[in-house]
Amino acid sequence: NAGVTQTPKFQVLKTGQSMTLQCAQDMNHEYMSWYRQDPGMGLRLIHYSVGAGITDQGEVPNGYNVSRSTTEDFPLRLLSAAPSQTSVYFCASSYSRTLNTEAFFGQGTRLTVV
Amino acid sequence: KQEVTQIPAALSVPEGENLVLNCSFTDSAIYNLQWFRQDPGKGLTSLLLIQSSQREQTSGRLNASLDKSSGRSTLYIAASQPGDSATYLCAVRVENNDMRFGAGTRLTVKP
Repeated sequence: NAGVTQTPKFQVLKTGQSMTLQCAQDMNHEYMSWYRQDPGMGLRLIHYSVGAGITDQGEVPNGYNVSRSTTEDFPLRLLSAAPSQTSVYFCASSYSRTLNTEAFFGQGTRLTVV
Repeated sequence: KQEVTQIPAALSVPEGENLVLNCSFTDSAIYNLQWFRQDPGKGLTSLLLIQSSQREQTSGRLNASLDKSSGRSTLYIAASQPGDSATYLCAVRVENNDMRFGAGTRLTVKP
């Protein structure tokens, strides 16, 4: 059981480039989300999805897009990378729409925008 | 807006000590609280999940308590070991399935 898998682990982008961070889970979890982690701050929610075809914005959504065409995959797209998007990105999943389930996290993608 | 604070930001203890990490949150309307461990350059590993109706959870040398009315949780680590060195994060789950995180406590256990 692989859990939550993120790719790539590291990425360097130039300002203005676009890219997609991949996230996949094999636990049949309905709920998936993306967070960013910056030094000295807690993780902050970017976007989340409560099921295939349903997405919504979190606390810091600007500059990012998401889609959820399958239960397993939840990619995060950076439309035009900016240095302020340099961060570590984490994908997470939970079993169902109920709010009392444990969250599982991927290993993270460390992104640097130069 | 829910704010989560963890004190202290860093802690260094000799091996074998029992220690307590603190987490406080400003809004008692939470669904659960989860403690995580994060090793440098790694992802988050779930340690304990406490539902809003529970007071504590235990796993091995770890015990987490929750006092929702006062907005506090503690993570107690018994007989600390060098392998416990890591950053410990607490997070509360609020409406819309959002999780609000503290900035973490960086623990160093010296041999």
